[in-house]
Amino acid sequence: GAVVSQHPSRVICKSGTSVKIECRSLDFQATTMFWYRQFPKKSLMLMATSNEGSKATYEQGVEKDKFLINHASLTLSTLTVTSAHPEDSSFYICSARDWGTQETQYFGPGTRLLVL
Amino acid sequence: GENVEQHPSTLSVQEGDSAVIKCTYSDSASNYFPWYKQELGKRPQLIIDIRSNVGEKKDQRIAVTLNKTAKHFSLHITETQPEDSAVYFCAASTGNQFYFGTGTSLTVIP
Repeated sequence: GAVVSQHPSRVICKSGTSVKIECRSLDFQATTMFWYRQFPKKSLMLMATSNEGSKATYEQGVEKDKFLINHASLTLSTLTVTSAHPEDSSFYICSARDWGTQETQYFGPGTRLLVL
Repeated sequence: GENVEQHPSTLSVQEGDSAVIKCTYSDSASNYFPWYKQELGKRPQLIIDIRSNVGEKKDQRIAVTLNKTAKHFSLHITETQPEDSAVYFCAASTGNQFYFGTGTSLTVIP
């Protein structure tokens, strides 16, 4: 149980385009999902907390207009990187909190974004 | 806000030896402390967790200890195996967000 999927796993795009990443909880309902960014050999940097049916809460320094988050249902959250630039290239990982346990976060497999 | 520090950043041990990773936290309201293992290019996987009402928890070769007074918790891996090689992250939570440590890269030498 507690499986989180993420799509796509890898994406290459041209500078200026927008990229949408989907995060799904497959076998549980997630009232809260989290979006992280991870640089090589670094820790997980929380970007935003996504709550179903409400606006996301962004961490300091994260541009909400650049990283659009939508949590449309209890099993789906999306992150859209708008007008991507090379400095946005990174590994993006989502996690979901199980409605039942409200404690443990389960991580998606991550999306590696490369902006040319 | 919460500040989690993790040491060491890198750790090499001989196969069969024990490995210990330590974390400290700053917010006394934190009450949940998970540990994640992340292999290269893969997702973090929860390996063990502990709540603030417990001082120690063990699961086969893995154990975690918590000292609430000193605000530190540790991961202990005994009889290490090459497949234990990975990056390990600790985290502290007050019930909403997780605050992650900076990670420990563990290498188990065969």
